[in-house]
Amino acid sequence: SQTIHQWPATLVQPVGSPLSLECTVEGTSNPNLYWYRQAAGRGLQLLFYSVGIGQISSEVPQNLSASRPQDRQFILSSKKLLLSDSGFYLCCGDSTDTQYFGPGTRLTVL
Amino acid sequence: GENVEQHPSTLSVQEGDSAVIKCTYSDSASNYFPWYKQELGKRPQLIIDIRSNVGEKKDQRIAVTLNKTAKHFSLHITETQPEDSAVYFCAASIKAAGNKLTFGGGTRVLVKP
Repeated sequence: SQTIHQWPATLVQPVGSPLSLECTVEGTSNPNLYWYRQAAGRGLQLLFYSVGIGQISSEVPQNLSASRPQDRQFILSSKKLLLSDSGFYLCCGDSTDTQYFGPGTRLTVL
Repeated sequence: GENVEQHPSTLSVQEGDSAVIKCTYSDSASNYFPWYKQELGKRPQLIIDIRSNVGEKKDQRIAVTLNKTAKHFSLHITETQPEDSAVYFCAASIKAAGNKLTFGGGTRVLVKP
C-alpha cells in the first residue's frame, strides 16, 4: 500500500524568508502527486500537480513553486514567504483512482 | 473545468440520528467520486468512494449514492456517533484527466451526545 511522508510537521517562518517542504512516497511507482493548501477552517485548494519527473502543472498563480526531481519526491518552495502563505500544506499521491494524503505541514508565517 | 458544490456547510445532529450531505458536479464526464473525513488538525482520510458504473455503495454505517442523470451524489451516515464529528469533503474526477480531484467546500458535522 502507498505511504506518503511529509516534513517538517510544523514550521514557523518570518515574512520574506524562503520555504522548502518535502514529500516522499513509498509503495507505488510513477504516482501522480499533488500539493494542496488548506487555510484555517477552509477547504482544499490545489496548488500543483505532477504526472512525472520534471512535469509540474500550476493551478493557482502565486509566489510558490514545485519541483519533482525524482519519481517519488515532490518539493514545494518559495523564495519569499508572504503572510497569506500560512496554512496547512498537504501532499497527496494517487494509487489507481484513489488519492491519499500525507500528514501535512502546518506553516505559520509571522 | 469541473465544479463541485457541497451542502450543507454545517450540520448538527443528535447522536443516533442520520446525517446526509449532498454534492453536485458540473462535468458529466466525471466518473469517480470519493468522500474524505477530516478530523481537527489531521489529514483528510478516504472513507468511501463510488464509481460511475455503480448507483450505491455501503460500508457499515456509511453509504454513498450517485445519480448520474442529475449529476449529484450524497453521503449518508446512519446511527451517528460523537466520533463522526468532523469535516467531510466530497470530490469528483475524470480518470482520463489524470485523476485530478475537484473538491467540494466541505461540511462540518457535529454529533451531539
